[in-house]
Amino acid sequence: NAGVMQNPRHLVRRRGQEARLRCSPMKGHSHVYWYRQLPEEGLKFMVYLQKENIIDESGMPKERFSAEFPKEGPSILRIQQVVRGDSAAYFCASSPQEGFNEQFFGPGTRLTVL
Amino acid sequence: GESVGLHLPTLSVQEGDNSIINCAYSNSASDYFIWYKQESGKGPQFIIDIRSNMDKRQGQRVTVLLNKTVKHLSLQIAATQPGDSAVYFCAEKGQGNDMRFGAGTRLTVKP
Repeated sequence: NAGVMQNPRHLVRRRGQEARLRCSPMKGHSHVYWYRQLPEEGLKFMVYLQKENIIDESGMPKERFSAEFPKEGPSILRIQQVVRGDSAAYFCASSPQEGFNEQFFGPGTRLTVL
Repeated sequence: GESVGLHLPTLSVQEGDNSIINCAYSNSASDYFIWYKQESGKGPQFIIDIRSNMDKRQGQRVTVLLNKTVKHLSLQIAATQPGDSAVYFCAEKGQGNDMRFGAGTRLTVKP
């Protein structure tokens, strides 16, 4: 039973380019969470999605960031027109159902903006 | 050795000693807490959890203590091993959908 998968593991972009981060939840999990982690800091919640629905995006920056979790395929976190401040590790977590407290984390995508 | 979490982010202990990592949480309405371990270059890994109706929970070599009066959580690791070296985060969950993470404490175990 594979865990949460994220790709790419490392992503380098120049300022102004787009970054697409993918997350495949654990088998049977329909709830996905995205977090951002700056160096030497804790994880900051960004967005919570279920299949085809954004449930809570209160932690998502209002501009340039978007997330989706289509009926088929992985969840995508998209960052348009990246800036140096977007450089961070982005983690995805999944859980099997609403109200299930434990979240299982993927290995993260490390985004570097040059 | 002891750590006060956000105010003392690094804890160094000798192999075989017990470690205590502390965390102050913010929301008195939080009803579920988790300790995560994060090794370099990896995602957080679940260690142990506790609900707000409990004040102590034990796992294998780890114990979590919850003091709701002062909103304080601690993780005790018995007989610390080199493989325990990592950053440890406490996380709290309230009525919302997100886990709120502390800044973390880096535990270094000296052989």
